[in-house]
Amino acid sequence: DVKVTQSSRYLVKRTGEKVFLECVQDMDHENMFWYRQDPGLGLRLIYFSYDVKMKEKGDIPEGYSVSREKKERFSLILESASTNQTSMYLCASRDSGTGVGELFFGEGSRLTVL
Amino acid sequence: GESVGLHLPTLSVQEGDNSIINCAYSNSASDYFIWYKQESGKGPQFIIDIRSNMDKRQGQRVTVLLNKTVKHLSLQIAATQPGDSAVYFCAESSGNTPLVFGKGTRLSVIA
Repeated sequence: DVKVTQSSRYLVKRTGEKVFLECVQDMDHENMFWYRQDPGLGLRLIYFSYDVKMKEKGDIPEGYSVSREKKERFSLILESASTNQTSMYLCASRDSGTGVGELFFGEGSRLTVL
Repeated sequence: GESVGLHLPTLSVQEGDNSIINCAYSNSASDYFIWYKQESGKGPQFIIDIRSNMDKRQGQRVTVLLNKTVKHLSLQIAATQPGDSAVYFCAESSGNTPLVFGKGTRLSVIA
């Protein structure tokens, strides 16, 4: 059974803290994505990666960075957390095969910044 | 990027009725479309997808219709069940670009 695992389901951090959100997939997928989900705004793309060591900015990259040192792992980093980064964060992966296809999502990481 | 939107933010249907969830997209270059279901506390789950060379695709109790002329996508759920209650997202992409998601429609099934 395919699986995308986000290591933390719930996190509470303080303003200014550095936050790491980890995501691991076991499907040998090349493509990985980080989305942010807020009520009424749907899913918005933060960063994505089409291969190891590669990263591309999505629609809302400000305040975030990512790391893709290994194929199966894609980390989202908040260098200095702010209250407006309180949100649900969703990691997803996709087989690059034909260049299109469904994304497989993790269960999400709900981050609260106080 | 191009926006993907929904006509109705909430939809309530009687159990056993058919549900239709609509989605408008604005990128005429989009060639791949997909519907996801998200239950409370879970990540989005794939329902059905369709490529732009088709106008209809059927799955188990679900049908996706694509009208490229008016840039409209719909998801039809037959014989809606309480387990269908969730938020539904449409998404689109062009080539191998990342999926762009709509804002979602909440479907509530009335028993």
